[in-house]
Amino acid sequence: QVTLSESGPALVKPTQTLTLTCTFSGFSLNTSGVCVTWIRQPPGKALEWLALIDWDDDKFYSTSLKTRLTISKDTSKNQVVLTMTNMDPVDTATYYCARIPYMSTTAFDIWGQGTMVTVSS
Amino acid sequence: QSALTQPASVSGSPGQSITIPCTGTSSDVGGYDYVSWYQQHPGKAPKLLISDVSNRPSGVSNRFSGSKSGNTASLTISGLQAEDEADYYCSSYASSGTYVFGAGTKVTVL
Repeated sequence: QVTLSESGPALVKPTQTLTLTCTFSGFSLNTSGVCVTWIRQPPGKALEWLALIDWDDDKFYSTSLKTRLTISKDTSKNQVVLTMTNMDPVDTATYYCARIPYMSTTAFDIWGQGTMVTVSS
Repeated sequence: QSALTQPASVSGSPGQSITIPCTGTSSDVGGYDYVSWYQQHPGKAPKLLISDVSNRPSGVSNRFSGSKSGNTASLTISGLQAEDEADYYCSSYASSGTYVFGAGTKVTVL
């Protein structure tokens, strides 16, 4: 069974750096074609794609947020970590991680339950 | 990376069919057969409904179907049911490893 689970602080202060961890099971990020991505959703608003890391350690970022984001993986721990610097109240959102299962698709087939992050002083 | 355009809301009566359009550009929807659709119920994580324009994952009802023409992709829900009341999002690959989502459509079953 494939599962993903996000973890991290529920509250961060403005200007701080957010670190989120996606812990997954049921698949390997060493398998060719597999990717893990981060997506966020402010309360009552639309989904926004943030970043992606693939099996080959290639990394891709949202154009509008790329200067603030870093994605990395630890395949021994089955984890993907996202850091976002200089947090602002507009970054308040539920943050999801999701999987792309193989090379010939770009669909996010399995999602974590999400973790809500509030940015406030 | 501008968000893909979706209507804010679509409604229909039980048993009817509805279609949700998702309009992008030649740099995303029109440039690749990599459009996906997701269903999200309140307080829940999104669920994949359609991958790669028209592929339905195992376990997804055949009442959901996808298509694409030019820069516009569409999700059709046939035989509308009360449980289909949710938010629906399209997503497209947008080159250089990046992705873009639509603004979301709230489906109401009358």
